[in-house]
Amino acid sequence: ETGVTQTPRHLVMGMTNKKSLKCEQHLGHNAMYWYKQSAKKPLELMFVYNFKEQTENNSVPSRFSPECPNSSHLFLHLHTLQPEDSALYLCASSQHYKRGPLVDTQYFGPGTRLTVL
Amino acid sequence: DAKTTQPPSMDCAEGRAANLPCNHSTISGNEYVYWYRQIHSQGPQYIIHGLKNNETNEMASLIITEDRKSSTLILPHATLRDTAVYYCIVRVRQGGKLIFGQGTELSVKP
Repeated sequence: ETGVTQTPRHLVMGMTNKKSLKCEQHLGHNAMYWYKQSAKKPLELMFVYNFKEQTENNSVPSRFSPECPNSSHLFLHLHTLQPEDSALYLCASSQHYKRGPLVDTQYFGPGTRLTVL
Repeated sequence: DAKTTQPPSMDCAEGRAANLPCNHSTISGNEYVYWYRQIHSQGPQYIIHGLKNNETNEMASLIITEDRKSSTLILPHATLRDTAVYYCIVRVRQGGKLIFGQGTELSVKP
């Protein structure tokens, strides 16, 4: 148990559906991250939020829409996804962002396994 | 951030030490070495990090060579639950994001 929870753990959706992934951290951290892990590929960073402000967007398609209402919660809104978007979506948090190794250490949630039909 | 090279897979007998190597020959002076692991279908777990001195915590030891071009993660008494993919990542002091490679798939066998 890392203090980062993600719901749902599994999600199956059609290409025309709209769904949301939720991440919550109970660590008092100020930075939160979304990563994508496709089969047989390394983790890819998607978004970074620092003190609720988006600081990085790694050229993610607009069908993925993040939202960070406060430092403890992070959402990923999904709409009109493609089958190739099927992957494990991981959320992480760290105490701070870009302030040095002791406070940048990222703690990951268990992930949401997404299948797009 | 400097590139890392790890063997794709390794085996280790249960109860023995697992020594996982990582090459980072282009590492610069302000870059740290981090290790994470990912048990199948779970989120990555932070293990340890270091700059130039050897480091030890309750999970593992990190040995960094004097020239800093390579390092070794040591799990002193591997158990079946240590079976996972281990990632060696090099990152500048205030680098922010982690860049994961393919890692080493460690199989601990009875």
